[in-house]
Amino acid sequence: DVVMTQSPLSLPVTLGQPASISCRSSQSLVYSDGNTYLNWFQQRPGQSPRRLIYKVSNRDSGVPDRFSGSGSGTDFTLKISRVEAEDVGVYYCMQATHWPRTFGQGTKLEIK
Amino acid sequence: EVQLLESGGGLVQPGGSLRLSCAASGFTFTSYAMTWVRQAPGKGLEWVSTISNSDGSTYYADSVKGRFTISRDNSKNTLYLHMNSLRLEDTAVYYCAKGAVGFDCWGQGTLVTVSS
Repeated sequence: DVVMTQSPLSLPVTLGQPASISCRSSQSLVYSDGNTYLNWFQQRPGQSPRRLIYKVSNRDSGVPDRFSGSGSGTDFTLKISRVEAEDVGVYYCMQATHWPRTFGQGTKLEIK
Repeated sequence: EVQLLESGGGLVQPGGSLRLSCAASGFTFTSYAMTWVRQAPGKGLEWVSTISNSDGSTYYADSVKGRFTISRDNSKNTLYLHMNSLRLEDTAVYYCAKGAVGFDCWGQGTLVTVSS
């Protein structure tokens, strides 16, 4: 199975400051069609997960442009340019290139 | 608007069975694979199973293989998860999600509690 390793697992951030979450996979996530199926999800307290980013860097409709995704191969990053109060929650990366699908452990973002 | 609505969760004894349902609306159900993901209390997300929209192919996590069966009724736009031989460690909120790759829409989840 592909192991997804996120860091940090806890991320205290001051409002208005940037935040960055790393996600590393144990195998390349490049699929045979040339795409890299790496998603990022946000789970606010008490809510269902919501997809923010798909295929590494594509932002979903309605997702603020302060969220961005980057990376390639086995190394990926989710960045928030200026953290707002509504960004509090847990962030997960997930690979959908290989079976079984696997998630990172989650990174809990909190406001300092 | 795309909507997924899970139901069927509840309290069940170890070794028991349960069937979860996920009613889909707002998109062409037959065009998409569908997936179940679970989250144990206070824990992270775990992929459980996916069913294709085309050939009925199914995929399972090792932790549920042989005990859970995913199915779909395209005439009812409904996804199912049949769970047998339930264990304490199956206690979780079960979410259905759209797709096999994108997971771009999730339901609100249904809680399954396995306890004696």
